[in-house]
Amino acid sequence: GAVVSQHPSWVICKSGTSVKIECRSLDFQATTMFWYRQFPKQSLMLMATSNEGSKATYEQGVEKDKFLINHASLTLSTLTVTSAHPEDSSFYICSAQNKETQYFGPGTRLLVL
Amino acid sequence: TQLLEQSPQFLSIQEGENLTVYCNSSSVFSSLQWYRQEPGEGPVLLVTVVTGGEVKKLKRLTFQFGDARKDSSLHITAAQPGDTGLYLCAGGEGGSQGNLIFGKGTKLSVKP
Repeated sequence: GAVVSQHPSWVICKSGTSVKIECRSLDFQATTMFWYRQFPKQSLMLMATSNEGSKATYEQGVEKDKFLINHASLTLSTLTVTSAHPEDSSFYICSAQNKETQYFGPGTRLLVL
Repeated sequence: TQLLEQSPQFLSIQEGENLTVYCNSSSVFSSLQWYRQEPGEGPVLLVTVVTGGEVKKLKRLTFQFGDARKDSSLHITAAQPGDTGLYLCAGGEGGSQGNLIFGKGTKLSVKP
């Protein structure tokens, strides 16, 4: 139980385009989901907390207009990287909260050319 | 700001050796979670500890939460190449948000 999926697993796009990443909790409902990014050889950095039915809470330094988060249902949250640039290239990981524990998706590798 | 410091950052050992990874903070956490992450994948939860002084065992892995709930350790007995990976500790702040504060991780390499 407590499986979280992400789609796509990797994406390559041109600079200036927008990319949407989906995060789904497959066997439980998650009121709260989290979005992280991870640079090579570094730990996870929380970007935002996504709450079903309300606006996401962004961490300091994360642009909410650039990283759009939608949590329309109890099993799906999406992160859209708008007008992506090469510096947005990273490994994006979501997690979904089930009781006291966060379960992580497999991550999405984004490469912006 | 709550911080979690993990040590060591890197550890390279031979198969069969024992090792301990530490996770320390000056802050109290409501829970402490340990994850293992392999390259290109998301972290996989190993254990959650919530009670001060709690000890949990998962086969060759032993996890301990400090009495004051400020620190934790992960001990691996007779390490195997399959234990290779990035070990992350994460402190839970409690409450409805469930935010986690992550340590920087310990990259473990077990050589056959």
